[in-house]
Amino acid sequence: DVKVTQSSRYLVKRTGEKVFLECVQDMDHENMFWYRQDPGLGLRLIYFSYDVKMKEKGDIPEGYSVSREKKERFSLILESASTNQTSMYLCASTPLRGGDPQPQHFGDGTRLSIL
Amino acid sequence: DAKTTQPPSMDCAEGRAANLPCNHSTISGNEYVYWYRQIHSQGPQYIIHGLKNNETNEMASLIITEDRKSSTLILPHATLRDTAVYYCIVRFTGTASKLTFGTGTRLQVTL
Repeated sequence: DVKVTQSSRYLVKRTGEKVFLECVQDMDHENMFWYRQDPGLGLRLIYFSYDVKMKEKGDIPEGYSVSREKKERFSLILESASTNQTSMYLCASTPLRGGDPQPQHFGDGTRLSIL
Repeated sequence: DAKTTQPPSMDCAEGRAANLPCNHSTISGNEYVYWYRQIHSQGPQYIIHGLKNNETNEMASLIITEDRKSSTLILPHATLRDTAVYYCIVRFTGTASKLTFGTGTRLQVTL
């Protein structure tokens, strides 16, 4: 089975801190994604990456950056945390197979609170 | 991606089949139907997907109507552990494309 591991299930940080959320997948997937999930707003894409050192902005990239130095690891960075970034953060991965639909596999999420 | 419509909630007795409907009347010819579920405090879990034929795996069956405007996810013998929010999604095959979850159906399995 595909395993997507997020470094923390729960995290509490203070306003203005730089926050790192880590995600590791063990299936050699090319594509990795960061979403946030908020009540009433569903799942929103922050950033995704289709290869090492490659990244693309999603729908809500403001206030975030990402890093993909190794294929298995995709990090989300909150440059200066703010209270409106309190949310559930979900990492997902999927292989790159042209023409063949591949589901995204998710980690268990990090519930981040910014005080 | 095409929009989907699902009932907000459903109940099912343990051991019975749970049939979760989804309408996707604007689906286009190359869009697939995917189902995910999310158990409380966990990440979404992929269940099944299909294009136009019915599909079955170890978790569930997916029935897609001939005109592809609706589909039904069937959990043949629901258990308490199947209590979750179920999301029906329609999307292209591009693997780098985002997932967009609607509000889904909250399935409550009861004794």
